[in-house]
Amino acid sequence: EAGVTQFPSHSVIEKGQTVTLRCDPISGHDNLYWYRRVMGKEIKFLLHFVKESKQDESGMPNNRFLAERTGGTYSTLKVQPAELEDSGVYFCASSPLAGGLDTQYFGPGTRLTVL
Amino acid sequence: GENVEQHPSTLSVQEGDSAVIKCTYSDSASNYFPWYKQELGKRPQLIIDIRSNVGEKKDQRIAVTLNKTAKHFSLHITETQPEDSAVYFCAASKGDYKLSFGAGTTVTVRA
Repeated sequence: EAGVTQFPSHSVIEKGQTVTLRCDPISGHDNLYWYRRVMGKEIKFLLHFVKESKQDESGMPNNRFLAERTGGTYSTLKVQPAELEDSGVYFCASSPLAGGLDTQYFGPGTRLTVL
Repeated sequence: GENVEQHPSTLSVQEGDSAVIKCTYSDSASNYFPWYKQELGKRPQLIIDIRSNVGEKKDQRIAVTLNKTAKHFSLHITETQPEDSAVYFCAASKGDYKLSFGAGTTVTVRA
């Protein structure tokens, strides 16, 4: 089966601009997660969707970040306006079941550079 | 929140030797501990995981041990090969889906 896909693979933007990252989970996976790795540090949780509902967004840094998952399929993460400290690799992951703890399958990530 | 510490940050081993990576966690409610491997330019992939009702799990050359009392778990790779070179991440979860990761260990296997 196709894995989790993310677009774009790289994005370079100026401070103050807007960027939208997209994640397509594995087909049929109810759970979708966003994570971020900044400057070689740990991978940090941002938020978790169950289908189209935000289950946990406790890791979202601030209100410049907006995640959506319309229709419970793909998800977007918008950063507006971008700041220098938003640079990093943004990972999306998905897992199959609602109500159970299952393996999270990761996408290849989007490397965001804010200049 | 959960805090996961991972050591060492870098590890260089001779091909054929063993590699050990150690992680500690802070929240005693954590009950799921996966390990991910990320090769250069690729996605993180689960290589092994352990749940809190088990003390050890093995899969070919890879094993994970868990000490709940001490709140630490370790990854052991035996007979290392060049393809084991990668960044390895440990993680912990309380069953609430959110994974808390360590900072990663860059493993280099020298031929």
